[in-house]
Amino acid sequence: DVKVTQSSRYLVKRTGEKVFLECVQDMDHENMFWYRQDPGLGLRLIYFSYDVKMKEKGDIPEGYSVSREKKERFSLILESASTNQTSMYLCASSQGLEATGELFFGEGSRLTVL
Amino acid sequence: ILNVEQSPQSLHVQEGDSTNFTCSFPSSNFYALHWYRWETAKSPEALFVMTLNGDEKKKGRISATLNTKEGYSYLYIKGSQPEDSATYLCARISNFGNEKLTFGTGTRLTIIP
Repeated sequence: DVKVTQSSRYLVKRTGEKVFLECVQDMDHENMFWYRQDPGLGLRLIYFSYDVKMKEKGDIPEGYSVSREKKERFSLILESASTNQTSMYLCASSQGLEATGELFFGEGSRLTVL
Repeated sequence: ILNVEQSPQSLHVQEGDSTNFTCSFPSSNFYALHWYRWETAKSPEALFVMTLNGDEKKKGRISATLNTKEGYSYLYIKGSQPEDSATYLCARISNFGNEKLTFGTGTRLTIIP
């Protein structure tokens, strides 16, 4: 059974804290993605990665950074959390457009910044 | 259409009834359209990946059609069941080769027993 695992389902952090969200996939996928989901706004892409050590900005990268040191792991980092980063964060992976390109998602990490 | 738009935003349907909703998207530079189902407390799961104009795909009681020339896709659910309650998301990929999906805001479907 294919799996994308996010390290924390629920987190509560304080403004200014550094936050790490971890994502691991076991499908040997090339591509990995971080989205955030907010009511009325749908899923918005923060960052994505085509390969180890490669990253590209998505539509809303401000305030975030990412790390992909190993193929199976893609981390999202909030250097200094702010209240407007309270959201549901979803990690996803895909084999790429040469296959079906469908995304496989984790269960999400709900972050609250106080 | 500049963005991916879904309508309606939410929908309540009596169990056993059939329903459908719409995804509209920019028709230029089209590569593929995805439909996902997102049940509460679970991960979004892919339903369909569609690429060709006129494509029609089916999975059990759920089917989808695609019109790339006019920029829309319909999702149909026949004989709704309580387990169909979920948010249905569509997402478009352009043919710029960067594999980024642009998602709509979703249609939240509630089946009334």
